[in-house]
Amino acid sequence: QPVLTQSSSASASLGSSVKLTCTLSSGHSSYIIAWHQQQPGKAPRYLMKLEGSGSYNKGSGVPDRFSGSSSGADRYLTISNLQSEDEADYYCETWDSNTRVFGGGTKLTVL
Amino acid sequence: EVQLVESGGGLVKPGGSLRLSCAASGFTFSSYSMNWVRQAPGKGLEWVSSISSSSSYIYYADSVKGRFTISRDNAKNSLYLQMNSLRAEDTAVYYCARGIVATIDYWGQGTLVTVSS
Repeated sequence: QPVLTQSSSASASLGSSVKLTCTLSSGHSSYIIAWHQQQPGKAPRYLMKLEGSGSYNKGSGVPDRFSGSSSGADRYLTISNLQSEDEADYYCETWDSNTRVFGGGTKLTVL
Repeated sequence: EVQLVESGGGLVKPGGSLRLSCAASGFTFSSYSMNWVRQAPGKGLEWVSSISSSSSYIYYADSVKGRFTISRDNAKNSLYLQMNSLRAEDTAVYYCARGIVATIDYWGQGTLVTVSS
């Protein structure tokens, strides 16, 4: 089954942009993933589904500031014009061989 | 509007049992696979179990296999998780989540399960 690797933390300034990375393990570079956001004390929220081609489909109500892209085994979540409410944990997720897999999550701090 | 509302969490002693429920609304429940995902205090998300739309396919994480049972009632738009032989390490917030091809697209608000003597 695939392993999803994420940096444990990231930070960026209010109004700037940040690019978070989720890396698929060897042999799984074509997999579709999803990005989820979890604000402090809240349930996760689905942001988007992201294909290996870089094509993505966002969930209902997800701001235009959120976008996705791909390069090889890497799946990216880019947040533009960072807002204070973007400070959250971000998880990537996929499915294979009857198992759902989550990355370890990236804690984003907005400075 | 898609809504997933979990219930049934609480405090239980090690070795005890608990049944979680998830009431779904705002979509055709019988057309979607469903999932349980948990999050231990201060930790990341951990997949627990998945069930296909007609209950034909059921999958479990190794950590709960043989102790937990997922089921659904499409007539009642409800998902369940029967948890037996509970351990301290099962302490977590349990989320009900809707599945689409390969990924989850909606989450419930979660219900807390605490296993402690």
